[in-house]
Amino acid sequence: DQQVKQNSPSLSVQEGRISILNCDYTNSMFDYFLWYKKYPAEGPTFLISISSIKDKNEDGRFTVFLNKSAKHLSLHIVPSQPGDSAVYFCAATGTSYGKLTFGQGTILTVHP
Amino acid sequence: DTGVSQDPRHKITKRGQNVTFRCDPISEHNRLYWYRQTLGQGPEFLTYFQNEAQLEKSRLLSDRFSAERPKGSFSTLEIQRTEQGDSAMYLCASRTGVPETQYFGPGTRLLVL
Repeated sequence: DQQVKQNSPSLSVQEGRISILNCDYTNSMFDYFLWYKKYPAEGPTFLISISSIKDKNEDGRFTVFLNKSAKHLSLHIVPSQPGDSAVYFCAATGTSYGKLTFGQGTILTVHP
Repeated sequence: DTGVSQDPRHKITKRGQNVTFRCDPISEHNRLYWYRQTLGQGPEFLTYFQNEAQLEKSRLLSDRFSAERPKGSFSTLEIQRTEQGDSAMYLCASRTGVPETQYFGPGTRLLVL
């Protein structure tokens, strides 16, 4: 039972353009959502998060949008840079212990 | 400001051997988590500590797995009688109470031959 899904295994974008990564969830108890970036052989690096009481959070080039009615969130990266090339994971939590449930990841490639 | 550290970074072992991994969380973080990641998948939750108390364990954590956090600081994850299916990246994360953001270590990559 995949409670968090990232349906696009990969995304290719030109440098300077916008990257949009999508994530869907099924568990209505989730109330906090996060995006992580991961390079091979390294641990996930936190990028940005959003609480369910908001519908948008922005941090520099990164913006996360949350649509609770559609159970959908997206990460926008503007402008995209070659250094953004990595695997991006969305994660969600809603338990008192705060364990994260992750999607399968999307490989982002930004071409110079 | 040091991040989460894990040791060793890589471990190769033979089937049937026991292995132990260590995680040192960010110093003021009282909550510690272990996850496992296999190729092509996102990390999966294994277990959670608040201070020294182990408060939640996933069904993924079979009887061969045990985790401790004896003084509420570092944590260890032991796998007994390793099997080839245990080959994965083992990730440790920590956080304070608020916000709920978890910060991950670099992981320990285990290969069971």
